[in-house]
Parts: sequence; structure tokens; C-alpha cells
Amino acid sequence: GENVEQHPSTLSVQEGDSAVIKCTYSDSASNYFPWYKQELGKRPQLIIDIRSNVGEKKDQRIAVTLNKTAKHFSLHITETQPEDSAVYFCAASNGGSYIPTFGRGTSLIVHP
Amino acid sequence: ETGVTQTPRHLVMGMTNKKSLKCEQHLGHNAMYWYKQSAKKPLELMFVYSLEERVENNSVPSRFSPECPNSSHLFLHLHTLQPEDSALYLCASSQQDNEQFFGPGTRLTVL
Repeated sequence: GENVEQHPSTLSVQEGDSAVIKCTYSDSASNYFPWYKQELGKRPQLIIDIRSNVGEKKDQRIAVTLNKTAKHFSLHITETQPEDSAVYFCAASNGGSYIPTFGRGTSLIVHP
Repeated sequence: ETGVTQTPRHLVMGMTNKKSLKCEQHLGHNAMYWYKQSAKKPLELMFVYSLEERVENNSVPSRFSPECPNSSHLFLHLHTLQPEDSALYLCASSQQDNEQFFGPGTRLTVL
């Protein structure tokens, strides 16, 4: 089955810095890669996603890049703000399988 | 609100009790999921239902029993749980392999 590795487990940055979280996957058939943000005491919510026919996607301060050959994808947050502090999860799934595999999560702390 | 609701939000039960968690989605999705989230652990996928049929059961102990009577409702029946089962139980729904919409979760404490 699919295996998703996520790094780092904890990331501490100063407000205004950039943050990068990386994930690798093992199943070359995976074609959908979402990123979820979970604030303390709240439910995970999708912040951005990418499909295997695209190499990069951007939404304001957030971007995701995908390298299918190397089987890795990354979340980039620019100009970080304290409200970006949360746990971020990456995931990978194979179209039609209904079964996503999540990374272990990255706790991002943005210091004012 | 994301269109996925869960009840109860908090539950305290003894090891000999029987209780059920309920999840309802109002999004017209065709798949529903149960996850377990423990402190400092990743999201653990427990069960997946697609079109009301179970398609995944990740070696979950038999003291957890899912039920999906229709595409909008999902239950997790609990009996003779252990203290290590204390966790946040999240329900989610999706349309095939698209975005997962999570419910607010049930915080379960087993005494």
C-alpha cells in the first residue's frame, strides 16, 4: 500500500519568514495530493491540493509543488503570520481507491 | 460549518459501557470515513465506506463496530473499550478521491 513520509515534524519560524514542509510517497499510481491545516482544537481543513497532471499550484501565500519522478511534494508558505500556526498534514490517494494516506503531520509555530 | 456533523462532541464512558458515535453529512458525498486522532500521533484511518459498502478496515479491534445505513449517516459502535482508546474520533466525507470534509470530532475518554 501507499506510504507517506512527512518532514519536519516540528517547524519554528519568525513572522514574515517562509516555511516549507515536504512529503514523499511510495505509490506511483497516486494522483491526488491535498494539504490540510488543523488549528488547535479544530477539525482539519483543506488549504490547497494538487493533481498529478500539474507541477505547481499557488493560492496567495500558499503554494504546492509536485515532482512525480521523485515522488515528492511540498507545501510552501510565504510571509508567515502567527495565525498560520497549526498542524499541517499532507496526504496522497489513488483515483478511485477512496483511501487517502496521511503523513504524520508538521507542527508549525510562527513567532511574532 | 463544513456540512459534516458529529454527536456527541464529548463522551466519557467506562470500560464496560456500550455507546455509539454518530456522523451525518449533508454534502451528497459517496464516501464516509472514521479516523482516530491521539495526542502526538498521526491521523489513523479506521474505516471507509463507499456507497454504503465498507471498503477498508485497517485492522481495527472488534470492540469498534461501524455501521453505514445510508450514504448520509455513519455510526461507530463502541463496547468494552480500553483506556488507550481515549482519543478524538473524526468523521469525514468525500466525493471519491477528492477533498475530505471533516466533522468537529468526538472527544472520547475511557475510564
